[in-house]
Amino acid sequence: DQQVKQNSPSLSVQEGRISILNCDYTNSMFDYFLWYKKYPAEGPTFLISISSIKDKNEDGRFTVFLNKSAKHLSLHIVPSQPGDSAVYFCAASVLVGNQFYFGTGTSLTVIP
Amino acid sequence: NAGVMQNPRHLVRRRGQEARLRCSPMKGHSHVYWYRQLPEEGLKFMVYLQKENIIDESGMPKERFSAEFPKEGPSILRIQQVVRGDSAAYFCASSPSSPGHTDTQYFGPGTRLTVL
Repeated sequence: DQQVKQNSPSLSVQEGRISILNCDYTNSMFDYFLWYKKYPAEGPTFLISISSIKDKNEDGRFTVFLNKSAKHLSLHIVPSQPGDSAVYFCAASVLVGNQFYFGTGTSLTVIP
Repeated sequence: NAGVMQNPRHLVRRRGQEARLRCSPMKGHSHVYWYRQLPEEGLKFMVYLQKENIIDESGMPKERFSAEFPKEGPSILRIQQVVRGDSAAYFCASSPSSPGHTDTQYFGPGTRLTVL
């Protein structure tokens, strides 16, 4: 039962343009959401997070938006750079338990 | 400030052998999590441990898999009598948080297990 879904397995974007990665979830108990970036043969690296009391969190070129009513979050990267090419995973958890539920990932390619 | 360390990075076993995967959390972190990533899939939670305690093992297969996090030394994920379906990347993560509080988990580089 996939509680966190990333329906786009891949995305290609031109350098300098905006990359938008989407994520949907089914469990209304999720209170904390994160995005991780993963390069081949490496572990996931934490990118940005958001708690359910917010609808937006920004860190440099990265912004995460949360729409609780739609159970949807998105990651915006602007401007996109070739070094951003990686697999991006969204993850969610509840406050108690600490287990993270991961999506299946979106492979982003930024074309120079 | 060393990150989460896992070894070995690559492990090859024949069917029926045992696999032992080690994870040393970040300094100051007392919570360890194991995840498995099968080909073409996302990371799946396996087990959450604190020192000498298993907190949540709801993601662990019922047989052949076990995990520990002793008072001294790394956390160990042990797979007995491996089968080809165990071939995957196994990631360890750690966090400093206390129970009931969510915090970011920091991942190690993973151990890629191949069962021949």
